[in-house]
Amino acid sequence: DVKVTQSSRYLVKRTGEKVFLECVQDMDHENMFWYRQDPGLGLRLIYFSYDVKMKEKGDIPEGYSVSREKKERFSLILESASTNQTSMYLCASSLDLSEWEQYFGPGTRLTVT
Amino acid sequence: GQNIDQPTEMTATEGAIVQINCTYQTSGFNGLFWYQQHAGEAPTFLSYNVLDGLEEKGRFSSFLSRSKGYSYLLLKELQMKDSASYLCAVRPWMDSSYKLIFGSGTRLLVRP
Repeated sequence: DVKVTQSSRYLVKRTGEKVFLECVQDMDHENMFWYRQDPGLGLRLIYFSYDVKMKEKGDIPEGYSVSREKKERFSLILESASTNQTSMYLCASSLDLSEWEQYFGPGTRLTVT
Repeated sequence: GQNIDQPTEMTATEGAIVQINCTYQTSGFNGLFWYQQHAGEAPTFLSYNVLDGLEEKGRFSSFLSRSKGYSYLLLKELQMKDSASYLCAVRPWMDSSYKLIFGSGTRLLVRP
């Protein structure tokens, strides 16, 4: 079974802090994704990566950056957290561009105070 | 723009059948997905449609009409454990097959 893990289930940070959310997948998948999920808005794509050191902006990249130094790990970085970044963050991975199923991690609920 | 619509909430009775609708307007179409998400958990894949028609998988079936921009997820013999959110997602572009556009999700409550 594919396993996607995220470093924290719950996180509380202060406004202005730098925040790192880590995601690891154990199935040698090429593609990894970061979404945020908010009530009434569904999942929205922040960034994705289709290879090591390769990244592309999703629909809402403002205020975020990402890092993919190793194939299995994809990090989401909030350079200076703000209260409007309080959300559920979901990481996902898929095998390659022809693979249509995305496998999701359990999510990190981030609260910025 | 991209738009995916689904009802916000539905309620059904254990043992019954429920149909969750999804309509979409996207720039191009390369597949429609349904995911199930229990509260506090990760979404899990349920079904994939790229051609018109009905795909059946056990108690769950998914239907697609590309000309109408419409899909539905049919759940039969409802069980209490089917209480969850159901997410409709569309992959809009042939050359960007990695992206999915998600609807807001339909929260289904199954009552005894």
